[in-house]
Amino acid sequence: NAGVTQTPKFRILKIGQSMTLQCTQDMNHNYMYWYRQDPGMGLKLIYYSVGAGITDKGEVPNGYNVSRSTTEDFPLRLELAAPSQTSVYFCASRVGGRESQPQHFGDGTRLSIL
Amino acid sequence: DQQVKQNSPSLSVQEGRISILNCDYTNSMFDYFLWYKKYPAEGPTFLISISSIKDKNEDGRFTVFLNKSAKHLSLHIVPSQPGDSAVYFCAASGRRENAGNNRKLIWGLGTSLAVNP
Repeated sequence: NAGVTQTPKFRILKIGQSMTLQCTQDMNHNYMYWYRQDPGMGLKLIYYSVGAGITDKGEVPNGYNVSRSTTEDFPLRLELAAPSQTSVYFCASRVGGRESQPQHFGDGTRLSIL
Repeated sequence: DQQVKQNSPSLSVQEGRISILNCDYTNSMFDYFLWYKKYPAEGPTFLISISSIKDKNEDGRFTVFLNKSAKHLSLHIVPSQPGDSAVYFCAASGRRENAGNNRKLIWGLGTSLAVNP
């Protein structure tokens, strides 16, 4: 059981470039999340989705876009990369939105913007 | 405004001893609390949780205690093992954070635990 898979694991971008961080899960979870973790900080929610075709903003959505065309996939798009977006990005999923249902995380994408 | 605070960035304990990780929160609307463990180069993994209707939850070597009046919770690991060395995150959710059916998590900054052999 692969769980939540994120690709790539590492990436270096130049300022102004764009890229898509991929996230896929094989647990048939309805809820999916994108977080960023800056050094020495907790996780900040970027976007989340409660099901295919439904997405919503989290705490720090500026500079990012998401889509959810299937249950399995939840890609995160960076347009016009900026140094402030240098971070580790985590994708997570859970079966529903109840507090007793823990989130399952991928291993992260470490992104540097130079 | 840090609503979930883990005031100890790091903790070092001897193998076999008790590890106590602390977490304070400011939002009285939080009613569910979770602990996640994170190893380097991996994503967080769920460890244990507690609802605000309880004051204790135990799972093997891990026990979480909740003191609602003090807005404080703690994670006890007994006995500590070298494999427990990781960063531990406290996270909380509550009705104020609710958006539809989704209960978003508010995360602390983490405490790095080192268990020495």
